[in-house]
Amino acid sequence: QSVLTQPPSVSAAPGQKVTISCSGSNSNIANHYVSWYQQVPGTAPKLLIYENNKRPSGIPDRFSGSKSGTSATLDITGLQTGDEADYYCGTWDTSLSAWPDVFGTGTRVSVL
Amino acid sequence: QITLKESGPTLVKPTQTLTLTCTFSGFSLTTPGVGVGWIRQPPGKALEWLALIYWDADKRYNYSPSLMSRLTITKDTSKNQVVLTMTNMDPVDTATYYCAHRRSGYGDYAYWGQGTLVTVSS
Repeated sequence: QSVLTQPPSVSAAPGQKVTISCSGSNSNIANHYVSWYQQVPGTAPKLLIYENNKRPSGIPDRFSGSKSGTSATLDITGLQTGDEADYYCGTWDTSLSAWPDVFGTGTRVSVL
Repeated sequence: QITLKESGPTLVKPTQTLTLTCTFSGFSLTTPGVGVGWIRQPPGKALEWLALIYWDADKRYNYSPSLMSRLTITKDTSKNQVVLTMTNMDPVDTATYYCAHRRSGYGDYAYWGQGTLVTVSS
């Protein structure tokens, strides 16, 4: 069971905006970088956002990340049919001596 | 260009030990700041982080607290490989297993293998 909670699904019409939340705690999101991943079913996850709000080369600026306290957010503007996928947040947790990485519960984005 | 690829059995029996190999190129696991992690995904379910090994493996490697007793991660820098073993396999361990490149201190997995589906069944 993940320590990072995301809404199971969000949806919007093409061209609109969706926001995906990722809720954690002081031992993970509040004190460490957050990453976001896009996973088209049947393929490997792809890094969308790193260090809370940075985009790797090739990721359009329609994707943006932010963080405040124990929560992080991924915004997708100008929604396209190609954005239909599962999205996961990730960070690491220092509540235990092992410092494991953790992923969110995942959010399915649907384009209406 | 960084690439990673997982290999191993596609079918294991319950109670058996799973051994997966991640063969990578484009980076070295002797370079400070570099790590390789393993993540799995049961069919239709979310990503689950399993283990991570760093360039300084004698000092730093991490395991999922819930699976720690069953996991071992090692590296062979001469072969550019990371090996994950998981003991006492169960049908609930059926999943696609991914390895991925991680940056120490930043937590992001920028490069992923294609994944390998492992089915646990008698």
